[in-house]
Amino acid sequence: SQQGEEDPQALSIQEGENATMNCSYKTSINNLQWYRQNSGRGLVHLILIRSNEREKHSGRLRVTLDTSKKSSSLLITASRAADTASYFCATGGGGNKLTFGTGTQLKVEL
Amino acid sequence: EAGVAQSPRYKIIEKRQSVAFWCNPISGHATLYWYQQILGQGPKLLIQFQNNGVVDDSQLPKDRFSAERLKGVDSTLKIQPAKLEDSAVYLCASSLSPGNEQYFGPGTRLTVT
Repeated sequence: SQQGEEDPQALSIQEGENATMNCSYKTSINNLQWYRQNSGRGLVHLILIRSNEREKHSGRLRVTLDTSKKSSSLLITASRAADTASYFCATGGGGNKLTFGTGTQLKVEL
Repeated sequence: EAGVAQSPRYKIIEKRQSVAFWCNPISGHATLYWYQQILGQGPKLLIQFQNNGVVDDSQLPKDRFSAERLKGVDSTLKIQPAKLEDSAVYLCASSLSPGNEQYFGPGTRLTVT
C-alpha cells in the first residue's frame, strides 16, 4: 500500500521558477526521504529528513517536515530543464521499511 | 564506486512462463531490497534482505515469487508462473544498513503477454 500521497500529481513550470511539491502520510515515521526518477538516471536519492528535524537544505533543494500535520514539502529553487522528472516521497517507518508515495511529475519548460 | 547492477534490462515472456532477475548491490552494502514499480505508481517493496537473511517479505506474493541472497552479496528474484499483472519494472536497491539512503539499480522492465 502507498503511505505517502504527493500533491500535485503533475506540475509544469518555466525554467528559473521555483517548484513546490507536497507529501502527506498517515502513520508515524522515523524519517522521510525524497527521490527523483527519470528515464536517464533511474531512481536517485535526493534528501533524507529525520522525524526530529523540521527543515533541511541541499543545494537548490529545501525540504520541510511537519510531523504534527504528517506532511512534508520539497522546494526546488531556480528550476532547470534537467529537473524534469518524477519526484517521490518515501516514509521510513518500523523496521526502516521505506514506503513510497504516488509521485509528482514535474516538467520544466525552456 | 560502481553502482547497483541489474540484469537483464528488459524481458518479455508469456503468461505462465517463469523469469529470473539478478542484482549485484554496491560492495559492502548489507541491506538489499527488491521493489516492484507498476507504470504510474511508486515503487512497492517486495522483499528486504539484511546480509543473507530476510527482514521483510510481507508484500511478496509467495505463491509465485521467490528471492534469495545466499551468500549475502548478489540476489535473484524469480517469478513462476508469471501473470499479466506482473508486468512492471523490478528495481533492486542497496544500502549500508536499514534506514539509510538507498541506491537503486536501473531496473528490469518485464512485459508479460
